[in-house]
Amino acid sequence: EAQVTQNPRYLITVTGKKLTVTCSQNMNHEYMSWYRQDPGLGLRQIYYSMNVEVTDKGDVPEGYKVSRKEKRNFPLILESPSPNQTSLYFCASRRGTASSGANVLTFGAGSRLTVL
Amino acid sequence: DQQVKQNSPSLSVQEGRISILNCDYTNSMFDYFLWYKKYPAEGPTFLISISSIKDKNEDGRFTVFLNKSAKHLSLHIVPSQPGDSAVYFCAASAGNNNDMRFGAGTRLTVKP
Repeated sequence: EAQVTQNPRYLITVTGKKLTVTCSQNMNHEYMSWYRQDPGLGLRQIYYSMNVEVTDKGDVPEGYKVSRKEKRNFPLILESPSPNQTSLYFCASRRGTASSGANVLTFGAGSRLTVL
Repeated sequence: DQQVKQNSPSLSVQEGRISILNCDYTNSMFDYFLWYKKYPAEGPTFLISISSIKDKNEDGRFTVFLNKSAKHLSLHIVPSQPGDSAVYFCAASAGNNNDMRFGAGTRLTVKP
């Protein structure tokens, strides 16, 4: 089944304790992206990657890092989490070319993160 | 700044009636628009899209209308079913731009 898999699905942590949210896709998609969803703000892009070893900032990259060492994986790293990073996080992927038909993102099920 | 706006946080309709979800955008460079549907504890899933060269796209019970001059699009669901109860996100992108902008979402409740 074509899918994007995120782990963990739920996590409660404390301020300053480094954590990684993993994301993996099995569709051979070039493009991957991370979003956070907050009430009243919709989905905001954190980072995206056009292909292996190519990453770029989205709208809200502060406090986050990413890496793209393999095509299928795109982990989100919070080096020193803070309470304002409490949110629902989604990983998504699509084919590389952003032509109209390829703009459709496939999302993971989400990771709910709480930073105390 | 929010370039895609869904001003109605929630909408409630009766089963069998029409649901109309609205979305406004500010960036005139947007040329591709999508609607995603999200159930609790799941990720958003693609529902329907429209290119700026069209003003209407239909897929079964779902129709999206685009009014470029008003920078407005809407999603019509006819007839509405209880299984349509979900949060609906409007999204827009511009050309090869890798930044897809999302609205805040509208929670639709279809009552039996």
